[in-house]
Amino acid sequence: AQTVTQSQPEMSVQEAETVTLSCTYDTSESDYYLFWYKQPPSRQMILVIRQEAYKQQNATENRFSVNFQKAAKSFSLKISDSQLGDAAMYFCAYTSGTYKYIFGTGTRLKVLA
Amino acid sequence: NAGVTQTPKFRILKIGQSMTLQCTQDMNHNYMYWYRQDPGMGLKLIYYSVGAGITDKGEVPNGYNVSRSTTEDFPLRLELAAPSQTSVYFCASISDRGHSPLHFGNGTRLTVT
Repeated sequence: AQTVTQSQPEMSVQEAETVTLSCTYDTSESDYYLFWYKQPPSRQMILVIRQEAYKQQNATENRFSVNFQKAAKSFSLKISDSQLGDAAMYFCAYTSGTYKYIFGTGTRLKVLA
Repeated sequence: NAGVTQTPKFRILKIGQSMTLQCTQDMNHNYMYWYRQDPGMGLKLIYYSVGAGITDKGEVPNGYNVSRSTTEDFPLRLELAAPSQTSVYFCASISDRGHSPLHFGNGTRLTVT
């Protein structure tokens, strides 16, 4: 069965610094998609970034980038120049193209001024 | 663009009461989902639907029922509410299975006392 693991329940980062959130997954599929979602205190689920497994190039969205290591089944999120507004829960998610989306347990990111 | 709309935003129920969480989307999406989010547990799938008239159970369906009479609406019914159903509930949708990121509603915080 596919699983998604986020081993860091909580992380802290100083404002303007860089932080990396970890995500590993287990699958026997060769083609799949990975996502990072941000959930601020407002509770809204916001898509941060998406990665297709068949693409070797790591996805980037402004200050957010991923380090996708397919062989290691690792999908970490790097946030550069951290801002106070980045404080949130971050969820890693996986889908292999069926109806099923699997979420990790989340990492709470605190940004220190 | 309304996207996915959930009502109510908050609700307090007494044990044994029933209620319906409403979810509607205006994107003509075929796939719709109900998740519950518990602290430290990520998002767990309750029910999903691949189109009008078709629903199926997810990981944690006990105590819930759904219907999908139209493409737009996917209500979640709680019968005989229990404290274990205290959670945040999210409705989500995608146009078709595969690689699309989920579009989420803003969630409903339900407390059963």
